Amino acid sequence: AQKVTQAQTEISVVEKEDVTLDCVYETRDTTYYLFWYKQPPSGELVFLIRRNSFDEQNEISGRYSWNFQKSTSSFNFTITASQVVDSAVYFCALSDPHNYGQNFVFGPGTRLSVLP
Amino acid sequence: DAGVTQSPTHLIKTRGQQVTLRCSPKSGHDTVSWYQQALGQGPQFIFQYYEEEERQRGNFPDRFSGHQFPNYSSELNVNALLLGDSALYLCASSLWASGGQETQYFGPGTRLLVL
Repeated sequence: AQKVTQAQTEISVVEKEDVTLDCVYETRDTTYYLFWYKQPPSGELVFLIRRNSFDEQNEISGRYSWNFQKSTSSFNFTITASQVVDSAVYFCALSDPHNYGQNFVFGPGTRLSVLP
Repeated sequence: DAGVTQSPTHLIKTRGQQVTLRCSPKSGHDTVSWYQQALGQGPQFIFQYYEEEERQRGNFPDRFSGHQFPNYSSELNVNALLLGDSALYLCASSLWASGGQETQYFGPGTRLLVL
């Protein structure tokens, strides 16, 4: 069965600090996709990144970067120079295209609070 | 370009009642998925619709049913409401792609409170 673990329930940092959110996943399949979503207090899930299992290159987008390590089944997310607007709940998700229907499995989320 | 829209935004019902939630997908998308998010938890997959058929279903009882219309919009129906059905219900839309995995884009959700 597929499973996503986000061990950090809550993290608090002071503005301008760097912060890393951990994500560990389990799947038996060799082809799968990983995602990160941000959920601000408004409730809407905002898409951040999609990564397929064959692409282990790290990705950087502005202050955001992602470290995909297939050997440890991890897909960690780092925010550099955090800002108050980064405060939200962040979800890591796993999808296996061999699951008929493209079902997403979400982790429990990490609540990030960035203090001014 | 309109994103995913959901209605209503908030809803209060009593135990035993029935509720219908609605979702319009992002322009150009043909697939709608529904999720239930209890307070403090991650979203849980309910089911997914493509070509007006339920394609996959999560671990939810038959009290949860849905429908997709020819314009790709969708409804989620919940019968015989229980207190435990209180949650944020999220709709996500995507493009159906065999052999690939398309990103799901989410709406703002409907907050359902069952008293």
